[in-house]
Amino acid sequence: AQSVAQPEDQVNVAEGNPLTVKCTYSVSGNPYLFWYVQYPNRGLQFLLKYITGDNLVKGSYGFEAEFNKSQTSFHLKKPSALVSDSALYFCAVRENYGQNFVFGPGTRLSVLP
Amino acid sequence: EAGVAQSPRYKIIEKRQSVAFWCNPISGHATLYWYQQILGQGPKLLIQFQNNGVVDDSQLPKDRFSAERLKGVDSTLKIQPAKLEDSAVYLCASSFGQGGELFFGEGSRLTVL
Repeated sequence: AQSVAQPEDQVNVAEGNPLTVKCTYSVSGNPYLFWYVQYPNRGLQFLLKYITGDNLVKGSYGFEAEFNKSQTSFHLKKPSALVSDSALYFCAVRENYGQNFVFGPGTRLSVLP
Repeated sequence: EAGVAQSPRYKIIEKRQSVAFWCNPISGHATLYWYQQILGQGPKLLIQFQNNGVVDDSQLPKDRFSAERLKGVDSTLKIQPAKLEDSAVYLCASSFGQGGELFFGEGSRLTVL
């Protein structure tokens, strides 16, 4: 069965600095990988996904993620963090087309002014 | 394009009472999901529908939870009787097909006293 780990409960970064939110996954087949963001009292919003192709995926709000098959990772990155990026970030994996999404436990990102 | 609609946003009940949540997915989205998100955790799938058929309900506590999507559009999730551990946010999501990214509603926050 597929699983997702987000090793950091909390990430703190200064505004203007680059940010990284880590995600590792485990699947038996080819992974479909996703990042979502959740603001307080809101649902999850889709940021980006990797299905196939280029390992560097660009998404909404200047975020990007790099798929690394050998390290089974899909870290979320942004070159310059904004205070408004402060939120809860979830990595998710799906093993096969149409199968259940499995979400990680989430990482809380705090961008300090 | 209208997003995923959910109601009510908040509900407080006492244990052993019943509650129902409603979800209307994005128009044209055939796949509908109900997730449970306990505070501090990632969403956990309760049930997945494809049109009006159930694709996966393996993690639905069927002794107290039920869900239906009779006409393949909107859906209702019911809990009867509620337990204290059912306190959570219930998220509805939809996707165009089984392979697409999920679009989430704002969620329904349940507090069981």
